[in-house]
Parts: sequence; structure tokens; C-alpha cells
Amino acid sequence: NAGVTQTPKFQVLKTGQSMTLQCAQDMNHEYMSWYRQDPGMGLRLIHYSVGAGITDQGEVPNGYNVSRSTTEDFPLRLLSAAPSQTSVYFCASSYREQGNTEAFFGQGTRLTVV
Amino acid sequence: KNQVEQSPQSLIILEGKNCTLQCNYTVSPFSNLRWYKQDTGRGPVSLTIMTFSENTKSNGRYTATLDADTKQSSLHITASQLSDSASYICVVSSPSAGNKLTFGGGTRVLVKP
Repeated sequence: NAGVTQTPKFQVLKTGQSMTLQCAQDMNHEYMSWYRQDPGMGLRLIHYSVGAGITDQGEVPNGYNVSRSTTEDFPLRLLSAAPSQTSVYFCASSYREQGNTEAFFGQGTRLTVV
Repeated sequence: KNQVEQSPQSLIILEGKNCTLQCNYTVSPFSNLRWYKQDTGRGPVSLTIMTFSENTKSNGRYTATLDADTKQSSLHITASQLSDSASYICVVSSPSAGNKLTFGGGTRVLVKP
């Protein structure tokens, strides 16, 4: 199984540009989420989804949009990139809400905004 | 405010030696506590998951302990190998936070030959 697949692995953006980070899982998991990881800090939740058509904000949602049109895909959109969004982004999925079941993470997308 | 604190931030150990990583949390109420291993450039991978009723759980050379009364956990690595070089992340889940996960900042372990 591929598990959780994120693309791209690396990206450089100019301030003000927009882009979409892709995330797909092939485990038929209901719950998907996006985190950002910054040096010296724990992963922080950006947005999450408990199922197709349902999304909600996490701890640090400003500047990001998500949608969940299918069970498999959960893209993260940066509307107008800012240097503060330079980070490593991880997508995760689990069978149910992550507190109760195993969470599987993608390999990450390293984003630099200049 | 980070509600999961890990120590030390980093450590260096010789191959074959043991080490113990610490995690203190203030997240309450508590669902479970997890330890993840994160290799450089990779996503976190789960090592153990413990509920409040579990005091210890092992996964090969990794043994996690939990004291729910003092809100402390430890991860013990036995007979370290070069492949153990990674960051180890303590994660706490709380039902009051919608079962979302609160991550510690991690301990970076370097195993030297």
C-alpha cells in the first residue's frame, strides 16, 4: 500500500503566490489532517476533516484553505504565500478521529516562501 | 503554550548503549499517549500508544512507560543502533480537544559508532 502520499516534496514560492499541496491516502480512512512543523516546535494542526464534505479549523488555520470532495484526497491551499508559512507540512490520516486510532503520516512537503 | 514538554532536546549516545527520553504533559483530560519516531526528511511513525490504564508498552528495543498520576512518560531505547538516530516525539490525545493530538517538540537522538 502507498499509505499517505504528499506532493510535491519540495517547493519554493514567492511572497503572494498561491499553490496547493496535495495529499492522498489509499487506506479508506475517514479522518485526515494537515500539520505544520517548525524548528523546535511540535507539529501544529492547521485543518482537519472527519469525512468527505466536512472540514474544520485547527490551531493555526489562517492563510490556508482545505476541501474534502473525496475520501481519498485532502488538498491544502495557500491563498497568498507569506514568509511566515515557510515550514514543513505533513498530511496524516486515520480510520477515525486521531485520538483513538493509529495516525499515518505522509513524508512531508518542505515549503520555502521568499 | 506547549502542553507537552520533552527532555532532553537532544542527546548523543554510543552504539550499543541505552538511553531514556522524558515527556511531561499537562493535557487533561487524557485519552492516550503516543511516542513517534521521525527520521530526517520523513514523516513521524508510531512506536507505541498507551491509554491511562497502561503503565508500560514495548515495541522491540523501545519501551515506553506512563505514570498518569504524575503525567509523565518515558521512552527507553535498549542497545541502541545507528538506525535509532532520529527525533522522538511524545504526543498526547485529549477528548476535550476533540481527540486532536498535542505534540511535544521532540528529542533528537544521535547514535555514534
